[in-house]
Amino acid sequence: DVQLVESGGGLVQPGGSLRLSCAASGFAFSDFEMNWVRQAPGKGLEWLAYITGSGSATYYADSVKGRFTISRDNAKKSLYLQMNSLRAEDTSLYYCARETRLNHHYAGMDVWGQGTTVTVSS
Amino acid sequence: EILVTQSPATLSVSPGERATLSCRASQNVSNNLAWYQQKPGQAPRLLIYRASTRATGVPARFSGSGSGTKFTLTISSLQSEDLAIYYCQHYNSWPLYVFGQGTKLDIK
Repeated sequence: DVQLVESGGGLVQPGGSLRLSCAASGFAFSDFEMNWVRQAPGKGLEWLAYITGSGSATYYADSVKGRFTISRDNAKKSLYLQMNSLRAEDTSLYYCARETRLNHHYAGMDVWGQGTTVTVSS
Repeated sequence: EILVTQSPATLSVSPGERATLSCRASQNVSNNLAWYQQKPGQAPRLLIYRASTRATGVPARFSGSGSGTKFTLTISSLQSEDLAIYYCQHYNSWPLYVFGQGTKLDIK
């Protein structure tokens, strides 16, 4: 089965750091671009970060640029999100999501994990 | 930044009836728009990409239409399991994605 499983969430104090992981299985991980998307309690979806299949290029939402870093280890079939300088407003459920393509064109985020919860509070 | 605005915020529809959800972009995004369904307590699920192409396994009662700045997700005959929040996402500025705020679909 194609699957993504996030881990690493937890309670952290403002200004602290946390590293999220996303373990992929059931597909050729290195062939796919990946994203992190979050959802604050009772709120909508917010895209955070993107990484190419090789890991050579990354892009970020303005809200996390300079604080969060997306990376991947294709040998371990894992995606990561290093989060620094955390704020209360970063409290959310964090999803990793696979991006798919059709004829080289973006065709949506077709596989999502179940998410890992990050709470930033003193 | 191109924003997408969804309406209405909440929609109540009876089983078997048609549901029509709207997504409007602040600028022309061509057909670079996707729709996602999020059921309570679940991760989002891709329904539609390229404004009107159904993703694998999505029932035919879901259809997407529109281009430019106005888009519609239609559920032709609502079923109880369609209770969910529906999000549009534009990718005209790929890979800088923007989601709408969502439409909550209630079953009457």
